[in-house]
Amino acid sequence: QKEVEQNSGPLSVPEGAIASLNCTYSDRGSQSFFWYRQYSGKSPELIMFIYSNGDKEDGRFTAQLNKASQYVSLLIRDSQPSDSATYLCAVAYSGAGSYQLTFGKGTKLSVIP
Amino acid sequence: DGGITQSPKYLFRKEGQNVTLSCEQNLNHDAMYWYRQDPGQGLRLIYYSQIVNDFQKGDIAEGYSVSREKKESFPLTVTSAQKNPTAFYLCASSNWNSGNTIYFGEGSWLTVV
Repeated sequence: QKEVEQNSGPLSVPEGAIASLNCTYSDRGSQSFFWYRQYSGKSPELIMFIYSNGDKEDGRFTAQLNKASQYVSLLIRDSQPSDSATYLCAVAYSGAGSYQLTFGKGTKLSVIP
Repeated sequence: DGGITQSPKYLFRKEGQNVTLSCEQNLNHDAMYWYRQDPGQGLRLIYYSQIVNDFQKGDIAEGYSVSREKKESFPLTVTSAQKNPTAFYLCASSNWNSGNTIYFGEGSWLTVV
């Protein structure tokens, strides 16, 4: 069973601080990693994806991947109250002609004004 | 606008009744997926389809059925055999040309009454 683990939180940070969200995964063969944001009662929306070891930055968001440690993280700089949501880590598995994402249960982030 | 359309947004089902959730996409994506989300839980894969006229069971397929007669359509039927169907259902699609990023529809809320 391929697993994706996240701390469920809630993670509370003050406005303007850096929020750090972490995710570990079980399958060393995984190649693609995604972060989705989900507001309460809404569907997930893609924030970032990362394929290679290292950092990938997009605006206030930075994804970090360490395949040797099977660890992926998301940093949110200058956190805003509008960032308050649940963040889902997803890991892609492919093989035998199929492709699917396995999701963690999500970390709930609360940004305090 | 391109996107994934799910309907209905809210649906109530009586005990012993089958219901069908619609999912249509105009993104020209080859792959389509159905996920289920329960409160405070991550997304669990019900069924997925990589091409027309072909689909595979996900992790929780029991009590559900799908069809993929057209590239743009992937309806999900929740049968009476599904004993605990109350959940948030999410349809998604992806394509090799878009880096296999999975995009979601707005979701359908199903409640058993």
